[in-house]
Amino acid sequence: KAGVTQTPRYLIKTRGQQVTLSCSPISGHRSVSWYQQTPGQGLQFLFEYFSETQRNKGNFPGRFSGRQFSNSRSEMNVSTLELGDSALYLCASSFTTGPSTEAFFGQGTRLTVV
Amino acid sequence: AQSVTQPDIHITVSEGASLELRCNYSYGATPYLFWYVQSPGQGLQLLLKYFSGDTLVQGIKGFEAEFKRSQSSFNLRKPSVHWSDAAEDFCAVGAQVRRSNSGYALNFGKGTSLLVTP
Repeated sequence: KAGVTQTPRYLIKTRGQQVTLSCSPISGHRSVSWYQQTPGQGLQFLFEYFSETQRNKGNFPGRFSGRQFSNSRSEMNVSTLELGDSALYLCASSFTTGPSTEAFFGQGTRLTVV
Repeated sequence: AQSVTQPDIHITVSEGASLELRCNYSYGATPYLFWYVQSPGQGLQLLLKYFSGDTLVQGIKGFEAEFKRSQSSFNLRKPSVHWSDAAEDFCAVGAQVRRSNSGYALNFGKGTSLLVTP
């Protein structure tokens, strides 16, 4: 069974631009969550989508948004990029949702904002 | 507030020595606890999880963890460390998302970087 696939693996963008990251979950998984990882803040929850609906959102500004398609694939978008948005963005998929759900992580997209 | 604390930022052990990584949590109800490992440039891989029942749980790669409610701890252990265990280890709790009535997410500790010396 293929794992969670994130594309692209690396991105370099300029301040003020926008970026879209993609995540393909494990086949059959309906929940996709996104996390931001930085050296200073560690791993922080961005949002979760389940069956095309955003269920939860972390404490991030509105510049961060996402969506999920009918095939469970998800995209996240960051508009008006800031230097502080440089991070590893991790996507996790799970069969269902809830506190006990085992999440499977992709390798991440490394975003650098210059 | 729900939180996870990993007191040790860096740990260095010799190959073949035993290992214990500390994790303390703050959570009102019965916690759902996880340990994940991240190799350089990679995503996170689940080592083990605790939901209920036996407080000593076994995971992959020879890791185990013990849930101690009285100490609010979920420490990760391994009897004999291998060089391939060098990585960053994260403790996490499945916690309710603030301002969400039904939503949960993984709340991670800051991680412990494990260095294995020959």
